[in-house]
Amino acid sequence: LAKTTQPISMDSYEGQEVNITCSHNNIATNDYITWYQQFPSQGPRFIIQGYKTKVTNEVASLFIPADRKSSTLSLPRVSLSDTAVYYCLVGNTGRRALTFGSGTRLQVQP
Amino acid sequence: EADIYQTPRYLVIGTGKKITLECSQTMGHDKMYWYQQDPGMELHLIHYSYGVNSTEKGDLSSESTVSRIRTEHFPLTLESARPSHTSQYLCASSEWAGSGTEAFFGQGTRLTVV
Repeated sequence: LAKTTQPISMDSYEGQEVNITCSHNNIATNDYITWYQQFPSQGPRFIIQGYKTKVTNEVASLFIPADRKSSTLSLPRVSLSDTAVYYCLVGNTGRRALTFGSGTRLQVQP
Repeated sequence: EADIYQTPRYLVIGTGKKITLECSQTMGHDKMYWYQQDPGMELHLIHYSYGVNSTEKGDLSSESTVSRIRTEHFPLTLESARPSHTSQYLCASSEWAGSGTEAFFGQGTRLTVV
């Protein structure tokens, strides 16, 4: 699994857009980039996944540059309920296991 | 709604007891995982399986053992529980895919060994 690096924590206010960037310099050609969200005492929940360029769903957008060595999760107009830990994962194909790093702890203030 | 279930949700047990944490999924997923997580800390992979009769140890060394006799079932066993085993245990499953795939998590089992 390609190693990922993301900020340990971020602070924001309600209504703001939050961008969390993840570095994955050793991403393999067939690796996808996946983001998960975890609330306290719950298991992580899938947010969004992409391979290149931009992906958008009802929750977030994912921006991936052409070299795919990084990705940015964008949360539009965050609310207090978006306070959580966000994990960036790269590659969960074949026999490889799903491993999580330390994630980014997002704190949204009123 | 994810079809992956863990039992029990909470367990308080005495030192030295044998325990089995149950995890079942009805999605037909080939890959299943067990994670250990303390409050506010990282999620550590302790076991995973990519199919029936396959089990692998994860990044974090664990005294627990697992088995995968059926696709849908991936129980975790501690032969002799100790206070150091107190933690939350999360089970997950995902498809075997050549491309990216989504993992689904159970509600977790919060284990306390006294």
